Amino acid sequence: DIQMTQSPSTLSASVGDRVTITCRASQSISDWLAWYQQKPGKAPKLLIYRASNLERGVPSRFSGSGSGTEFTLTISSLQPDDFATYHCQQYNRYSWTFGQGTKVEIK
Amino acid sequence: QLQLQESGPGLVKSSETLSLTCTVSDGSITTIGYYWGWIRQPPGKGLEWIGSFYYSGNTYYNPSLKSRVTISVDSSKNQFSLNLTSATAADTAVYYCARPDYASGSYYDSWGQGTLVTVSS
Repeated sequence: DIQMTQSPSTLSASVGDRVTITCRASQSISDWLAWYQQKPGKAPKLLIYRASNLERGVPSRFSGSGSGTEFTLTISSLQPDDFATYHCQQYNRYSWTFGQGTKVEIK
Repeated sequence: QLQLQESGPGLVKSSETLSLTCTVSDGSITTIGYYWGWIRQPPGKGLEWIGSFYYSGNTYYNPSLKSRVTISVDSSKNQFSLNLTSATAADTAVYYCARPDYASGSYYDSWGQGTLVTVSS
């Protein structure tokens, strides 16, 4: 099974900060990686798919990069609405695996 | 726009079977090319994929849960269901039904609102 490891688990930041979250796969997954944002009591919302493609309607301050085993989600200028938990997810051979999540908190 | 709605008991006794149903609206679960799946999230923890089925009937399960999980389909009601046997407190979670994208099936772009299931002794 492919394991996904996110870092950090928690991140404290201020409005306007540039924020980067990392996700590592236990083996190569090419670019089969997605990023989600989740707010308390809500279902996850897709932000990025195929590592770097922005989902329709998602602000351009969100970007994704990486391939193989190392991936990053970057928020170029953190906004009040961005304080949430972020999850990465891989797909490989009919199996989907999520990272443990990164909570972005107000500093 | 596709809508998914989970339903089922919010409280399950330990060692019994956890059963949930996902009702799909504004879309058919038999549409060619789509997967449909179940994902859960224990309180304060990350997301865990439970299993999925393909429109053709093939099913795929998380190896860590495979021995206890069955996903079934009722196409006449446009529903699919999750059965998780021998439930324990570790199965307490918010359970989501969700559908990945059509082109690759690799990422989930449609989700239900989720339903909390508590397993107690």
